Amino acid sequence: EPEVTQTPSHQVTQMGQEVILRCVPISNHLYFYWYRQILGQKVEFLVSFYNNEISEKSEIFDDQFSVERPDGSNFTLKIRSTKLEDSAMYFCASSTPGQGNTEAFFGQGTRLTVV
Amino acid sequence: AQSVTQPDIHITVSEGASLELRCNYSYGATPYLFWYVQSPGQGLQLLLKYFSGDTLVQGIKGFEAEFKRSQSSFNLRKPSVHWSDAAEYFCAVDNQGGKLIFGQGTELSVKP
Repeated sequence: EPEVTQTPSHQVTQMGQEVILRCVPISNHLYFYWYRQILGQKVEFLVSFYNNEISEKSEIFDDQFSVERPDGSNFTLKIRSTKLEDSAMYFCASSTPGQGNTEAFFGQGTRLTVV
Repeated sequence: AQSVTQPDIHITVSEGASLELRCNYSYGATPYLFWYVQSPGQGLQLLLKYFSGDTLVQGIKGFEAEFKRSQSSFNLRKPSVHWSDAAEYFCAVDNQGGKLIFGQGTELSVKP
């Protein structure tokens, strides 16, 4: 069964450092998303991406964040200068065309710890 | 603004007992509704979804949910809980732009 894969599963970084979280969406999916879950809190939407551009972003997704689809398979989330409060589980998701009438498939997540 | 409320933060049930997890949403149009389950340290697995049609939807692992427009609810049910059902359960609404808005989650514990 096709799945969304995320690497690494756990990343520890020092405050102020740049991190790149990687995702390989399901191959025929065209809509890509990043969500985050701070420990003990709900899952929050960060950004959606379609046709090589951001289609929607939340207020959390400030200038420190960026997304990219550098090739035909990967979808990345970059945090330029990490802060302690960026520590969270980050989930990538993808969905098929016909957006809205289909489900998003989630990866297993990357746990980011900023120290 | 769209929102999802799961009133119960933590529920404990005995194995074999029935389960109902509550979810209320606020959304102006016809919602697309989902229930996801998250086991510790794991990702989000879709249990079931409602887009339209029959208001009682069946999902995986013996779960079902009923959409009640009049109550703005989409409660998750299971007639007999197994110990392996212990996990965190999230209700979510799709804003029809593909963005999911999640509730706070309900942690389910199962007593032997």
